[in-house]
Amino acid sequence: EVQLVESGGGLVQPGGSLRLSCAASGFTVSSNYMSWVRQAPGKGLEWVSVIYSGGSTYYADSVKGRFTISRHNSKNTLYLQMNSLRAEDTAVYYCARGRDGYTGWGQGTLVTVSS
Amino acid sequence: QSVLTQPPSVSGAPGQRVTISCTGSSSNIGAGYDVHWYQQLPGTAPKLLIYGNSNRPSGVPDRFSGSKSGTSASLAITGLQAEDEADYYCQSYDSSLSAPWVFGGGTKLTVL
Repeated sequence: EVQLVESGGGLVQPGGSLRLSCAASGFTVSSNYMSWVRQAPGKGLEWVSVIYSGGSTYYADSVKGRFTISRHNSKNTLYLQMNSLRAEDTAVYYCARGRDGYTGWGQGTLVTVSS
Repeated sequence: QSVLTQPPSVSGAPGQRVTISCTGSSSNIGAGYDVHWYQQLPGTAPKLLIYGNSNRPSGVPDRFSGSKSGTSASLAITGLQAEDEADYYCQSYDSSLSAPWVFGGGTKLTVL
């Protein structure tokens, strides 16, 4: 069974940093496209980033240069390093299996950027 | 403003059929890129409902169906049930964007 469990969210001041983790089970992270999708409070879904099985990475313009997606193969875990956080980054962050047509989603972790 | 346009809300009575549209353009749906649909029940993570325009993952009832034509796609739900009340999102790929994986703005389905 595919399972994704995010962690690492919380309250952070503007300009601060957080690292989100997404522990996977039931499949191998490094053999799949893996994505981060976020949802601001009361808003729709927004694609954030993807890492290909070959290691290529892509980012939404709104986070490019500030966020970094990565994975730890032996831990079967996906990460999202978020720096220079802004109020508009406040959202529930989901990790998802796939590049699109996401076949598995985590439960989400809430990131709140506020002073 | 989403690249893929969905109606903000639709509603129907139990047992009825409702459709949710997803309108794109020649750089996404019209270019032949697949459309996927997700269901998000209140307070939960999204769930894949339809992939590749019209395919249902295992476990999704056949009351849910997807179609695509030209620059638009549609999600149809027949035999509407109370538990279908949720937000629904379409997703596709847009070749004109630097961040090409795009979602529709979402549609709130209310079961009357």
